[in-house]
Amino acid sequence: AQKVTQAQTEISVVEKEDVTLDCVYETRDTTYYLFWYKQPPSGELVFLIRRNSFDEQNEISGRYSWNFQKSTSSFNFTITASQVVDSAVYFCALSEARGSQGNLIFGKGTKLSVKP
Amino acid sequence: SQTIHQWPATLVQPVGSPLSLECTVEGTSNPNLYWYRQAAGRGLQLLFYSVGIGQISSEVPQNLSASRPQDRQFILSSKKLLLSDSGFYLCAWAPNSDAPLHFGNGTRLTVT
Repeated sequence: AQKVTQAQTEISVVEKEDVTLDCVYETRDTTYYLFWYKQPPSGELVFLIRRNSFDEQNEISGRYSWNFQKSTSSFNFTITASQVVDSAVYFCALSEARGSQGNLIFGKGTKLSVKP
Repeated sequence: SQTIHQWPATLVQPVGSPLSLECTVEGTSNPNLYWYRQAAGRGLQLLFYSVGIGQISSEVPQNLSASRPQDRQFILSSKKLLLSDSGFYLCAWAPNSDAPLHFGNGTRLTVT
């Protein structure tokens, strides 16, 4: 069965600190997709990144970076020099291969609080 | 550009009352549409999805139903609400089944 585990329920950091959000997944599929979404206090889910299982290259987008390691079934998310606006709940999610990316298996989320 | 609208933003309804939540997408045609629920202690769960007008797939058995009367309109309904229907309901769209989802602002439903 597919499963996503975000062991960190809440994290609190001070502005400008780096923070890593952990995500571990389980799947029997050889082809799958991994996602990160951000849910700010306003409630909407904001898409951050999608990774397919054949692409293990790390990705950097500004202060955000993602580390995908199939050997440990992990897809961790790092925010460098955190800012107050980064405060949100972050969800990691998994979906099967082509044709069903709308059926996301979400982790329970990590609430990040960045204090000034 | 594409935008997704959900309303109402918040709703308080008594047990046994009907429900109708609406979601519309602008700036695209024939999108895939989805209803997710975020309930306390249960995380985010896919309820329904639709790949075209009149085509609805249900992921979990429940007290709710969905309809897609127009290409860019997705409605979540119930004839009689239960306390367990309380939660945050999110509509999402994608241009096709291989694309990531984009979510609306959600509707917070409290059943009293």
